[in-house]
Amino acid sequence: DSGVTQTPKHLITATGQRVTLRCSPRSGDLSVYWYQQSLDQGLQFLIQYYNGEERAKGNILERFSAQQFPDLHSELNLSSLELGDSALYFCASSAGGDVKRETQYFGPGTRLLVL
Amino acid sequence: ILNVEQSPQSLHVQEGDSTNFTCSFPSSNFYALHWYRWETAKSPEALFVMTLNGDEKKKGRISATLNTKEGYSYLYIKGSQPEDSATYLCAPSNDYKLSFGAGTTVTVRA
Repeated sequence: DSGVTQTPKHLITATGQRVTLRCSPRSGDLSVYWYQQSLDQGLQFLIQYYNGEERAKGNILERFSAQQFPDLHSELNLSSLELGDSALYFCASSAGGDVKRETQYFGPGTRLLVL
Repeated sequence: ILNVEQSPQSLHVQEGDSTNFTCSFPSSNFYALHWYRWETAKSPEALFVMTLNGDEKKKGRISATLNTKEGYSYLYIKGSQPEDSATYLCAPSNDYKLSFGAGTTVTVRA
């Protein structure tokens, strides 16, 4: 158990809908990262937050947005869902967000299925 | 996002044998390289963070080396055990973002 929690574990929804994925980082970690694992692609970095502020952005679609709250939990919002958004979404956390020094601890993931 | 290649894509090894596989990445503006181990139905688990050319890291029977000048890292598993069966991911970075490779899936046969 990494100490990172994600809810829900599974999510089934329809095209055009909007969903929110939630992540609680390990106690004491200030950075949260979101990744997408699609069937035909490796882990793709979406976005990073550090202590409430956006720090780095990857291949995140405009239909997706995220935020980190004062209690450091984070939410990833996916809207106007398409079939291709079906994937495993991971949240990871680290102490300060420096990839040079810190490992990232991954949560169990949320599996999203868009029908 | 960096272009990362891991080879081979998969390999089978007999229990007790040793094995190794490669992660290749652009050598320019190298910042760090992470290795993760990902077992089926679980989440990726960190193995190593490597930053310096010539770095060698070890965790039990698993070790890794890093060559930042030529842009590659090797991961070694000594005396493979069935519990080593997993996908091993490398993730280099040239800034604050990790770019994950597709992984090498190792299956250890008893």
